[in-house]
Amino acid sequence: DADVTQTPRNRITKTGKRIMLECSQTKGHDRMYWYRQDPGLGLRLIYYSFDVKDINKGEISDGYSVSRQAQAKFSLSLESAIPNQTALYFCATSDPGQGRTGELFFGEGSRLTVL
Amino acid sequence: KNQVEQSPQSLIILEGKNCTLQCNYTVSPFSNLRWYKQDTGRGPVSLTIMTFSENTKSNGRYTATLDADTKQSSLHITASQLSDSASYICVVSPFGNKLTFGTGTQLKVEL
Repeated sequence: DADVTQTPRNRITKTGKRIMLECSQTKGHDRMYWYRQDPGLGLRLIYYSFDVKDINKGEISDGYSVSRQAQAKFSLSLESAIPNQTALYFCATSDPGQGRTGELFFGEGSRLTVL
Repeated sequence: KNQVEQSPQSLIILEGKNCTLQCNYTVSPFSNLRWYKQDTGRGPVSLTIMTFSENTKSNGRYTATLDADTKQSSLHITASQLSDSASYICVVSPFGNKLTFGTGTQLKVEL
């Protein structure tokens, strides 16, 4: 089983619908992240959490919200999906014990299409 | 604004050949620079990490180099295999700021 699991892996939805992407991890890491990947653009940070009670906006948080339900679970919500949110979404974790050299461990991605 | 630019955007090589991917950055100073490999349909996986004081780091057939004077890093792949077909992403970690990702080089290895 993967250390970082994302569900669903693929989702097609319509404009205006609410969508939740879920992420769970078995690595025991405190830090979790949501990234978005678009063709021709680098990975961009949406939200991140360093602790169960800690939520921080990334560079492109507008239109998204997150919930850190437990150390191992971090979900991303689109309250009212729009077509330009069509993208590949990645959840990632890192170990704060590695400090600034911390490696990111990614899930396998959730491909979202908004029609 | 911190930037990380990678070249070429895409590359096709024959199996067994060597290749070099480039990463130019404007982030300075920085804590470390990583290269990730992203297979199609999968999440990125770390290949190498170098701090600002290191010049080279190897991981099997993958060798990363870093020139802090020219702000360039390269990833050299030796004796390429079909399984090397992937996107390779350069990631710079500035002190006190968020990670900065390059847009990646898409490598295809053909028979």
